[in-house]
Amino acid sequence: NAGVTQTPKFQVLKTGQSMTLQCAQDMNHEYMSWYRQDPGMGLRLIHYSVGAGITDQGEVPNGYNVSRSTTEDFPLRLLSAAPSQTSVYFCASSKPGGGDGYTFGSGTRLTVV
Amino acid sequence: AQTVTQSQPEMSVQEAETVTLSCTYDTSESDYYLFWYKQPPSRQMILVIRQEAYKQQNATENRFSVNFQKAAKSFSLKISDSQLGDAAMYFCASLLGSNYQLIWGAGTKLIIKP
Repeated sequence: NAGVTQTPKFQVLKTGQSMTLQCAQDMNHEYMSWYRQDPGMGLRLIHYSVGAGITDQGEVPNGYNVSRSTTEDFPLRLLSAAPSQTSVYFCASSKPGGGDGYTFGSGTRLTVV
Repeated sequence: AQTVTQSQPEMSVQEAETVTLSCTYDTSESDYYLFWYKQPPSRQMILVIRQEAYKQQNATENRFSVNFQKAAKSFSLKISDSQLGDAAMYFCASLLGSNYQLIWGAGTKLIIKP
């Protein structure tokens, strides 16, 4: 089925390790975003992209990097994992403008020990 | 700064009855979008309903409808004929015009009593 695919679904990292969360969409959406979800809070924007080669920071970008070399893929890199990055991460995509709503991946639960 | 507030951390309703979830927002923009998303225990974020701010007519999607009060900056979700499958976290979100990204409320946990 068409949609947003995130991998992995679960991950445990040690403090200081790095890793990449993968996100791919097959709907030809130009807009893609990464959010994190923490208990008792709404989702918070980490980074976003409005097209291939264009990225920008969201509300909580520190400790994360992104790149957008193709329309389909938008990986999120954790540079040096910290316990504060323990969270559920969502990738989302939409048509330009976002007014139709964003389609979300199934999320990645990351634990940093 | 744009904010979204959901004042009800948890709501419960009897199966087949109607429940309303509240959401207020703050924005300086005149044209924007508002959304309700459902997050069941599976963790998947599912779009329930959307509202365009320039449209006065309230959006409806089957058993789901909104009460959009633009002047009061209020955007409540009404679920009619509640079903067990409606049990989930419900998030209200607004679309920020400056970067077309979503600002989220903290969510309301909806419990359906059989």
